[in-house]
Amino acid sequence: DQQVKQNSPSLSVQEGRISILNCDYTNSMFDYFLWYKKYPAEGPTFLISISSIKDKNEDGRFTVFLNKSAKHLSLHIVPSQPGDSAVYFCAASRTTTSGTYKYIFGTGTRLKVLA
Amino acid sequence: GAGVSQSPSNKVTEKGKDVELRCDPISGHTALYWYRQSLGQGLEFLIYFQGNSAPDKSGLPSDRFSAERTGGSVSTLTIQRTQQEDSAVYLCASSLVGRTDTQYFGPGTRLTVL
Repeated sequence: DQQVKQNSPSLSVQEGRISILNCDYTNSMFDYFLWYKKYPAEGPTFLISISSIKDKNEDGRFTVFLNKSAKHLSLHIVPSQPGDSAVYFCAASRTTTSGTYKYIFGTGTRLKVLA
Repeated sequence: GAGVSQSPSNKVTEKGKDVELRCDPISGHTALYWYRQSLGQGLEFLIYFQGNSAPDKSGLPSDRFSAERTGGSVSTLTIQRTQQEDSAVYLCASSLVGRTDTQYFGPGTRLTVL
């Protein structure tokens, strides 16, 4: 039973346009969400995060939107660049007395930005 | 500075053999995580170490899997009596305490069990 789902395995976007990557989750107790980016033969790297007390977080060209009622988050990349071509993972966690560390990751979306 | 390193990068083993995977975290990072990624799957949490606290082993799939962290630094993940379904990429990550969102991942060990 996948608690974090990325239903689009791949996405192609023209350079300069907006890339929108989507992620759905099932556990309403999740309260912290992340996006990671992964290049081939490398480990994932942290991109951006959002807490459930917010509905938007922006960092440069990257914006994450959270819709708690729909249990949906999305990552917007504007403008998209060829160097953004990678696999993007969303992840979610529930804060417990031990902290927020047990992240459930989606299966990833492969983004290809076409020059 | 040096990132998280893992060894070996690739490991091919026969079913039933034991394997040891090593992770060297970033110096000063007290939190260490192991994940695995099977083909077509997301990253699956295996185990979490934080300082001297008891590790959270809730993600280990069976008692054939164990991990230890010596001296609060290097960690080894051991899989005993490997099975074909253990074939996956095993990723290690480390982070500063309180910054579990910003995990620094190693390049992974690709394990193939024949």
